[in-house]
Amino acid sequence: KQEVTQIPAALSVPEGENLVLNCSFTDSAIYNLQWFRQDPGKGLTSLLLIQSSQREQTSGRLNASLDKSSGRSTLYIAASQPGDSATYLCAVRELTTTTSGTYKYIFGTGTRLKVLA
Amino acid sequence: GAVVSQHPSWVICKSGTSVKIECRSLDFQATTMFWYRQFPKQSLMLMATSNEGSKATYEQGVEKDKFLINHASLTLSTLTVTSAHPEDSSFYICSARFERSPYEQYFGPGTRLTVT
Repeated sequence: KQEVTQIPAALSVPEGENLVLNCSFTDSAIYNLQWFRQDPGKGLTSLLLIQSSQREQTSGRLNASLDKSSGRSTLYIAASQPGDSATYLCAVRELTTTTSGTYKYIFGTGTRLKVLA
Repeated sequence: GAVVSQHPSWVICKSGTSVKIECRSLDFQATTMFWYRQFPKQSLMLMATSNEGSKATYEQGVEKDKFLINHASLTLSTLTVTSAHPEDSSFYICSARFERSPYEQYFGPGTRLTVT
């Protein structure tokens, strides 16, 4: 059974600092991995999606890497800003489909980030 | 990107009543929609998957008679919490995927349900 864990659970950093969020998964047979941002009381915003054949994806100040063999992904945020404060979730899409022919995303526990001005 | 909306965004109801939550894909046809539940400071847990025109597939431990899901059209799925109890209070989020972008799910803004 796939399990997704994120470390740390919470992180507080001063503005301008570079930081790394970690995501680990127990089963390397994944289709892709996606990083999301969730603001308090809000839905999810997709940040980056990495296919299983890819090693990394970049968007602006964000860089996500994927090491499928070791079951790890990292989200690197450069020059953090107070507006980056949110909960960051990673999710893996399983390789196999369900009996109904669809697939499942398994979500991590999230990292609550606070960037101090 | 694709837009998914949910209505209502926030609802309070009395114990024993039923509540319906709508999930709509605004600019695409969603062949599959997913319903998730999120408790405070916890991650999203998949409740069920619904394909347009067919019965929903529920995850283990989710009561299908309590959480009724109807995916009547390619743009609308509804989740009805029947005979709600305080322990059903949670944040419910839907997501949708469509054929032209099979790799991604697009998430709605969520609905906060409080049962008193």
